[in-house]
Amino acid sequence: AQTVTQSQPEMSVQEAETVTLSCTYDTSESDYYLFWYKQPPSRQMILVIRQEAYKQQNATENRFSVNFQKAAKSFSLKISDSQLGDAAMYFCAYKRVGQGAQKLVFGQGTRLTINP
Amino acid sequence: NAGVTQTPKFQVLKTGQSMTLQCAQDMNHNSMYWYRQDPGMGLRLIYYSASEGTTDKGEVPNGYNVSRLNKREFSLRLESAAPSQTSVYFCASTKTANSPLHFGNGTRLTVT
Repeated sequence: AQTVTQSQPEMSVQEAETVTLSCTYDTSESDYYLFWYKQPPSRQMILVIRQEAYKQQNATENRFSVNFQKAAKSFSLKISDSQLGDAAMYFCAYKRVGQGAQKLVFGQGTRLTINP
Repeated sequence: NAGVTQTPKFQVLKTGQSMTLQCAQDMNHNSMYWYRQDPGMGLRLIYYSASEGTTDKGEVPNGYNVSRLNKREFSLRLESAAPSQTSVYFCASTKTANSPLHFGNGTRLTVT
């Protein structure tokens, strides 16, 4: 079974600085999707970024980018120019391609605090 | 845009009581899901419905039943609540198997 591990339960960063959240996963599949979701105190789950494993280019969305290392099974999220609104729980998630539904496997989450 | 709507937002049950969590989406999505979120464990899939008329077990289905009432609605039922079912429950939907999940705002359930 696939597993996703986030080894940092909590992280903090100064406003305007850059922070990197770590995620590793275990799979024997060659094609899959990886995601980062953000959960602010409102509890809403918000998709931050998505990476398809067959694409070598790292995904970016404005201040958010990933470092996808397929051989190492690593998928870290970099947040540049951190803002107070970035404070949230961040979840890494995995989905195997070819499944008939979005059966995501989530990591345990990392709580990110932004210090003003 | 309502998106995915869950009711209720909060619920407290006594052990052995039953209840149904309701979920509806107005995006004409084909697939719907129920996840539970527990501290330190992320989200885990309870049941899903890939299309209207079908339901399948996820990672943690024991103690739950689901009904895909129509394309819009997907309910989760606890027949005899247990303290281990204290959690935050999220409903989600997708248009296709590879399109992003849209989540509801969650239901916080406490079983005493």
